[in-house]
Amino acid sequence: AQSVAQPEDQVNVAEGNPLTVKCTYSVSGNPYLFWYVQYPNRGLQFLLKYITGDNLVKGSYGFEAEFNKSQTSFHLKKPSALVSDSALYFCAVRALNRDDKIIFGKGTRLHILP
Amino acid sequence: DVKVTQSSRYLVKRTGEKVFLECVQDMDHENMFWYRQDPGLGLRLIYFSYDVKMKEKGDIPEGYSVSREKKERFSLILESASTNQTSMYLCASSQLATVTDTQYFGPGTRLTVL
Repeated sequence: AQSVAQPEDQVNVAEGNPLTVKCTYSVSGNPYLFWYVQYPNRGLQFLLKYITGDNLVKGSYGFEAEFNKSQTSFHLKKPSALVSDSALYFCAVRALNRDDKIIFGKGTRLHILP
Repeated sequence: DVKVTQSSRYLVKRTGEKVFLECVQDMDHENMFWYRQDPGLGLRLIYFSYDVKMKEKGDIPEGYSVSREKKERFSLILESASTNQTSMYLCASSQLATVTDTQYFGPGTRLTVL
């Protein structure tokens, strides 16, 4: 069975500092990995995804994520945090078999401190 | 841009009432999904549909049913609402032909059952 874990419920970062939101996964076979963001009182918005190829994936709003197969991780990163990045972030995974549903993590709340 | 709309942003119902949550997408997507979002639990899949009149149970279907009579519309039905169904409900859609399955979310309906 596939699963995804976000080990931190909350991450606090000072504005201008680099940020990392962690995600680890477990699937049989090759994974498809996603990051979504949810701003207050809004639905989820797609940020980026890893399908194949370059392990460093660039997405919206200056975010990027690094796929690490040996550590089964897909951490979300940004070089310089903005206060407007404060939101709830979800990692998601699915395996190659298209009958598998996307599984979402429990979410990590990111607070960027001015 | 894909647009997914949900009929209500906020809804208050009484225990035992029948509740309809409506979702409409305008990008001719085959797949549609209903999730509920609860703090600390992330997103949990209730039901999904790959085609008109087709439905599949997700991880937590108990107490819910769905209807998909038209491709663009996917309805979630609470036959007899209970207080433990107080939650944020999110609808999403994606293209069948794309195994990478980027999902596009509506703004959510916050349902309170008294």
